[in-house]
Amino acid sequence: QVQLVQSGSELKKPGASVKVSCKTSGYTFTNHGLNWVRQAPGQGLEWLGSINTNTGNPTYAPAFTGRFVLSVDTSVSTAYLEIIRLKADDTGVYYCARGSTNFDKWGQGTLVTVSS
Amino acid sequence: DVVLTQSPLSLPATPGQPASISCRSSQGLLYSDGKTYLTWFQQRPGQSPRRLIYQVATRESGVPDRFSGSGSGTHFTLNISRVEAEDVGIYYCMQSTHWPTFGQGTKLEIK
Repeated sequence: QVQLVQSGSELKKPGASVKVSCKTSGYTFTNHGLNWVRQAPGQGLEWLGSINTNTGNPTYAPAFTGRFVLSVDTSVSTAYLEIIRLKADDTGVYYCARGSTNFDKWGQGTLVTVSS
Repeated sequence: DVVLTQSPLSLPATPGQPASISCRSSQGLLYSDGKTYLTWFQQRPGQSPRRLIYQVATRESGVPDRFSGSGSGTHFTLNISRVEAEDVGIYYCMQSTHWPTFGQGTKLEIK
């Protein structure tokens, strides 16, 4: 069955970097795009961006340009979200979700906490 | 950006009774391929979002048939014909016709 398994929780200091992984299985990785969605504490869902798993070409929502980097490693069917120069308001749960328009399967989420 | 406005934001529901959530879009959601990419998600407490309905009215496999979606253009609705206790959670609409955006969420609780 289709599975998206994300890496574990992270606690980071402001200014540091973090890399979250989303390992997929149960389908052909390059047949579906991958989205990333953020949920700040107690808040709603916010689309961060997506990546074409065939070409590796990312697209970012305007609010997430500059410090957010999406990438893939097709050899291990895994997508990555790296956040550089972390700020306190980057704190939240980050989800990966399959598909360019579908969002049909989601990872379990990765809690990133940024605190000094 | 396309803004999705959900109402109500809080929905006290009675088991066995119907419930309805509205989602209004600031722009039309009909794509050039003839499809309307309006999706409904359920997020139970402590869980990831789960897709319930896609392309306005197509129910995801395994989703109970008491959930249904309808609408067109800029106004869409999620209906629950008979609410059950397990339906507690937050419901989001999302459009992916344009760059994806989500509604604010509607919190369904049992009276």
